[in-house]
Amino acid sequence: GENVEQHPSTLSVQEGDSAVIKCTYSDSASNYFPWYKQELGKRPQLIIDIRSNVGEKKDQRIAVTLNKTAKHFSLHITETQPEDSAVYFCAATFSYGGATNKLIFGTGTLLAVQP
Amino acid sequence: DSGVTQTPKHLITATGQRVTLRCSPRSGDLSVYWYQQSLDQGLQFLIQYYNGEERAKGNILERFSAQQFPDLHSELNLSSLELGDSALYFCASSVTGQGGTEAFFGQGTRLTVV
Repeated sequence: GENVEQHPSTLSVQEGDSAVIKCTYSDSASNYFPWYKQELGKRPQLIIDIRSNVGEKKDQRIAVTLNKTAKHFSLHITETQPEDSAVYFCAATFSYGGATNKLIFGTGTLLAVQP
Repeated sequence: DSGVTQTPKHLITATGQRVTLRCSPRSGDLSVYWYQQSLDQGLQFLIQYYNGEERAKGNILERFSAQQFPDLHSELNLSSLELGDSALYFCASSVTGQGGTEAFFGQGTRLTVV
């Protein structure tokens, strides 16, 4: 079945340090891997995504890498700031063909950036 | 604002009751997903609809059901409610397309069963 594992569940870093969150997925046919940030009491919001035909994508301080062979992908946040503190979710889509897809989320990582 | 509207924002009800949660997707989005997020838990996939048809099911209880209407809004019906059903229920929508596209989340409905 479709499964996405995410590690670590909690991560505490000092302001200015880097943070890395890792996810693995079960289905080699997965082709889209978004990362969402959820602040306390708010809705998840997309921060970056990557498709299976790309190995790495960067957007300012955040980057995502994808290793299709190993079926894992990672989120990298550099120069962390207190406002980066939130829960981060990875996800993978499992396509059933056409325009439908099933979006399965990892269990989340609570990132705390200490000032 | 994501463009996805969920109502109500908060709902308090008693055990054994039935409630309906409503979701209006972004204009033009045909796919609607429902997720359950319990306290300190992740996003559990419940069900997905595409253009009025059920397309994928997750860990959705038999007491729960959903549908998507011709105008593309969706409703999640929860019946015989139990204390453990208390959670934040999110709806998300996405555009059609090959290989997956961004899902936009609504603000969620916080359900409290007492």
